[in-house]
Amino acid sequence: AQSVSQHNHHVILSEAASLELGCNYSYGGTVNLFWYVQYPGQHLQLLLKYFSGDPLVKGIKGFEAEFIKSKFSFNLRKPSVQWSDTAEYFCAVSHTGRRALTFGSGTRLQVQP
Amino acid sequence: DSGVTQTPKHLITATGQRVTLRCSPRSGDLSVYWYQQSLDQGLQFLIQYYNGEERAKGNILERFSAQQFPDLHSELNLSSLELGDSALYFCASSDYTGELFFGEGSRLTVL
Repeated sequence: AQSVSQHNHHVILSEAASLELGCNYSYGGTVNLFWYVQYPGQHLQLLLKYFSGDPLVKGIKGFEAEFIKSKFSFNLRKPSVQWSDTAEYFCAVSHTGRRALTFGSGTRLQVQP
Repeated sequence: DSGVTQTPKHLITATGQRVTLRCSPRSGDLSVYWYQQSLDQGLQFLIQYYNGEERAKGNILERFSAQQFPDLHSELNLSSLELGDSALYFCASSDYTGELFFGEGSRLTVL
């Protein structure tokens, strides 16, 4: 069974700091990769996704992620965070044989003004 | 707005009771997924339906059941409720790419 690991459970940054959230998955086949964000009290929204092609994916709100197949990783990055980025971030994986997403445990990001 | 509608938004009930959560997917999406989000378990996949048929099962308890109707809306039935069933229940629908679009969730509190 596939699994997703998010190593950082709680990250606290100051505004303008750079962000990198780790995500590793375990599945040997072809995967689809996602990062979702959940703002306080809201539902999950897609930040970015990777299906194929350029392993560097750009998403909304200045976020990007890089798929490194050899490392089974899909880390999320943002060069300069804002207070409004305070939220919980979830990495998720699916594959063609199982469309249902498997989510990581989430990383709670707190950005201090 | 994702286009996925869930009702009710909030629900408070007692242990041993039964509740039904409802989900309407985005127009044109045939797949519906149910997820449970709790503090200790995180986001857990419960079950998926595709065009009325069960497609995949996750960590869904036997006390829970779901179905998808001909108009593609779905219902999640939770019975013999326990305190530990208190959680946020999300419904999502997907297009052909597999991207999931989530509803705003139904927050269930079991007292």
